[in-house]
Amino acid sequence: GESVGLHLPTLSVQEGDNSIINCAYSNSASDYFIWYKQESGKGPQFIIDIRSNMDKRQGQRVTVLLNKTVKHLSLQIAATQPGDSAVYFCAENGITGNQFYFGTGTSLTVIP
Amino acid sequence: EADIYQTPRYLVIGTGKKITLECSQTMGHDKMYWYQQDPGMELHLIHYSYGVNSTEKGDLSSESTVSRIRTEHFPLTLESARPSHTSQYLCASSEFDRGVGGYTFGSGTRLTVV
Repeated sequence: GESVGLHLPTLSVQEGDNSIINCAYSNSASDYFIWYKQESGKGPQFIIDIRSNMDKRQGQRVTVLLNKTVKHLSLQIAATQPGDSAVYFCAENGITGNQFYFGTGTSLTVIP
Repeated sequence: EADIYQTPRYLVIGTGKKITLECSQTMGHDKMYWYQQDPGMELHLIHYSYGVNSTEKGDLSSESTVSRIRTEHFPLTLESARPSHTSQYLCASSEFDRGVGGYTFGSGTRLTVV
C-alpha cells in the first residue's frame, strides 16, 4: 500500500547506557503530554505523562522533561535494556484537549 | 480486566471485498479513535467518536466509514478494499478529560489487500 508520512528517526544505544529521546510539539496551547511506547506488532502503550505546570516528572527508570519555551519534550530512559527497544511517540492534547496529536516517533534499538 | 479488543488480528483479503474491522472496549469510555499506521511510520487519525451516534473524520483522508451505535463498539468498514488500504489499523479509547488520562490502544489489525 501507499505509505503516508515520514520514516521514523532512529536511535541506537548500548545496553546499560542512558537513552534520550526528543520530541518537538507544535501547539503552544497544549497543556498535557504523554509518551507512548510501541513494541513491534502491538499498539502504543502509555509510559508517562506530564502537565504543563511541571518541568520534570519521574517514573520507574524514565524521566520526562518539558521545556515550554521551545516546545520541546524529552524522554530519558536510565540503564536501557533490550526490552526497551521499541518506537516511542510523544503526544500533545492540542487546542481543544479532546484528542491527542502524535509526534513523528523515534525508533530505539538497544544493542546487547 | 478492562481492555480494548480488535479483531481480526491479521486479515488478507482480495480487492473489491467489503470488510469490517471490529473494535470493542470494556472500560465505558466515551471517546474512541481509529488510527492508520504503516510499518515504521507515523500514526494518522482517520476517524473518531465522542459518544454514541457521534462520528467525525480525522486528519487523514480515508475511504473507510465508522459507526457508533453502542458505547463499547466502534467498527470500521471498507466497502471495497483496494491495495492502497494495506496498512495497520489501530483502535483506541479514552476517558480523556482535559488534563488527565490518555489513550488505551488495541493491538491493531494488520490488513493486506491483494
